[in-house]
Amino acid sequence: GAVVSQHPSRVICKSGTSVKIECRSLDFQATTMFWYRQFPKKSLMLMATSNEGSKATYEQGVEKDKFLINHASLTLSTLTVTSAHPEDSSFYICSARDRVVNRDTQYFGPGTRLTVL
Amino acid sequence: AQTVTQSQPEMSVQEAETVTLSCTYDTSESDYYLFWYKQPPSRQMILVIRQEAYKQQNATENRFSVNFQKAAKSFSLKISDSQLGDAAMYFCAYSNNDMRFGAGTRLTVKP
Repeated sequence: GAVVSQHPSRVICKSGTSVKIECRSLDFQATTMFWYRQFPKKSLMLMATSNEGSKATYEQGVEKDKFLINHASLTLSTLTVTSAHPEDSSFYICSARDRVVNRDTQYFGPGTRLTVL
Repeated sequence: AQTVTQSQPEMSVQEAETVTLSCTYDTSESDYYLFWYKQPPSRQMILVIRQEAYKQQNATENRFSVNFQKAAKSFSLKISDSQLGDAAMYFCAYSNNDMRFGAGTRLTVKP
């Protein structure tokens, strides 16, 4: 149980284009999903908290117009990197929190490696 | 703001031996959760163990156990009978709604 999928696992795009990353909870409902960024050999940095049916809450320093988050259902959240630039290249990880069981435990997706050329 | 500190960037253990990874945190809250996650080279974050702050009893999961000292704000992970598959980055995390991670400890297991 508690499986989170993330798609795509790897994406390469040209500078200036937009990229959408999907995060799905496969066997549970998640009222809250989280988006993290991880630089090589570093820890996870929380970017934003996504609540189903409401606007995402962004961490300080994260541009909400650049990193668009949509959480339209209890099993799906999307992160769109708009007008991507090489400095946006990174490993992006989503997580989901089960609204019923172990409500404070986050289950993580496998991550998406974004490379912007 | 809550902070999580892992003072050991790297640790090494011989296969079948025991190793302890350290973690301290800072919070003014009384109710929270603590976690250890493992991140192998695949970079998939895997939940190792979970501890509720209101529980005095230390959590255990097979070969993994914690030493939770609430007053000292310490939450160490003990891995017994270490296996080659235990080699990974280990992150300590604190959660009270949002989750905050430590910098991580890279564990190497020597055969």
